[in-house]
Amino acid sequence: AIRVTQSPSSLSASTGDRVTVTCRASQAISDYLAWYQQKPGKPPKLIIYAASTLQPGVPSRFSGSGYGTDFTLTISRLQSEDFATYYCQHYYGYPRTFGQGTRVEIK
Amino acid sequence: EVQLAESGGGLVQPGGSLKLSCAASGFPFNTYGLSWVRQAPGTGLEWVTSISDSGTTTHYADSVKGRFTISRDNSKDTLFLHLTNVRSEDTAVYFCAKDRTIGVSGQIFESWGQGTLVTVSS
Repeated sequence: AIRVTQSPSSLSASTGDRVTVTCRASQAISDYLAWYQQKPGKPPKLIIYAASTLQPGVPSRFSGSGYGTDFTLTISRLQSEDFATYYCQHYYGYPRTFGQGTRVEIK
Repeated sequence: EVQLAESGGGLVQPGGSLKLSCAASGFPFNTYGLSWVRQAPGTGLEWVTSISDSGTTTHYADSVKGRFTISRDNSKDTLFLHLTNVRSEDTAVYFCAKDRTIGVSGQIFESWGQGTLVTVSS
């Protein structure tokens, strides 16, 4: 099974900061990678798919990049509503595994 | 607007059974694959199982294979998850999710329900 390893597990940042989360797949997965945002007590929300395609309605301060095994989620200017946990997930076949999550906290 | 509403969660004893339901609306139910994803308390997300639009193809995580069964009733726009021989490690919030095909065969979790909590305890 393909494993996805996410880092860091948590980070502290301030409003307006640029934030980067990385995800590494254990084998090449083309661009079959999605990112989700989850706030406490809520279901996850799809924000990026195909490594870099923004889901409609998601602010443009979110961006994704990468191909093969290494991927990045970037929030260009962190806003208060962005404090949440972010998960990457591959969909290059089954099982469709998630990364361990990155909790973005207020500094 | 896509809506997914899970129900059927609750307390179940180890070795017991439970059937979860997910009522869907706002999209042509019989043209989309569906999945169950769970989240144990304080932990991350784990894909559990998926079913194709027609119901003929299913996939399971190794952790639940042989114990859980996914099914759907396209006449009632409802997805099911039958849990049997449950273990303490099955304690989690169970989310149903609408799949969307990306590329040739990739499936992402495009929309999610609010989840239903299953607690396995004696």
